Amino acid sequence: EVQLVESGGDLVQPGGSLRVSCAGSGFSFRSYWMSWVRQAPGKGLEWVASIKQDGSDKFFVDSVKGRFSISRDNVKMSVYLQMNNLRDDDTAVYYCARGMSGSSPNDAFDMWGQGTMVTVSS
Amino acid sequence: AIQLTQSPSSLSASVGDRVTITCRASQGISSALAWYQQKPGEAPKLLIYDASSLDSGVPSRFRGSGSGTDFTLTISSLQPEDFATYYCQQFNYYPPLYTFGQGTKLEIK
Repeated sequence: EVQLVESGGDLVQPGGSLRVSCAGSGFSFRSYWMSWVRQAPGKGLEWVASIKQDGSDKFFVDSVKGRFSISRDNVKMSVYLQMNNLRDDDTAVYYCARGMSGSSPNDAFDMWGQGTMVTVSS
Repeated sequence: AIQLTQSPSSLSASVGDRVTITCRASQGISSALAWYQQKPGEAPKLLIYDASSLDSGVPSRFRGSGSGTDFTLTISSLQPEDFATYYCQQFNYYPPLYTFGQGTKLEIK
């Protein structure tokens, strides 16, 4: 089955760290840009980070630069989001998403996981 | 940074109605715009990419149009399963900075 499955969401204290994972299956994972998008409770969608097929290019929204990192393992068909120095406003459902064409980062997201909840609270 | 403004923010309509949602970009983005549908508790689903191309499996009652700064999503005849929140997204710039609109909640009248 062609799908993305996130895991690793948890309750974390402010200032803490967490790594969330996304496993792909049923498609050529190594051929696609992968991204993370988050959604705070009751709010809209916010792009967080993206990584190129071979991991050589990575991009982040300004609000997470210096705190979050993105990586991937194409053998395990997985993408990861390492989140450090977490803040209350990082509380959200984190979705991984696939760039549509694979040839450019300038793409719609044609496949999404079900999301994993990250709660930052003391 | 590019901003996307959707209107209206919410909309009440009936089954069978034709509805239009607008997305305006603060700068020109050519046709680098997508539309997503999200139902409560679910992940977003791609409907339209490149402003007017229908994603695979999406019913033909969904139609996207526009280029530059002004875009529309039209649903020609609302079905019960269409009541959801709709988001536009731009993907024009490199380094990539994907911006989403604030969403339009489509509710049953």
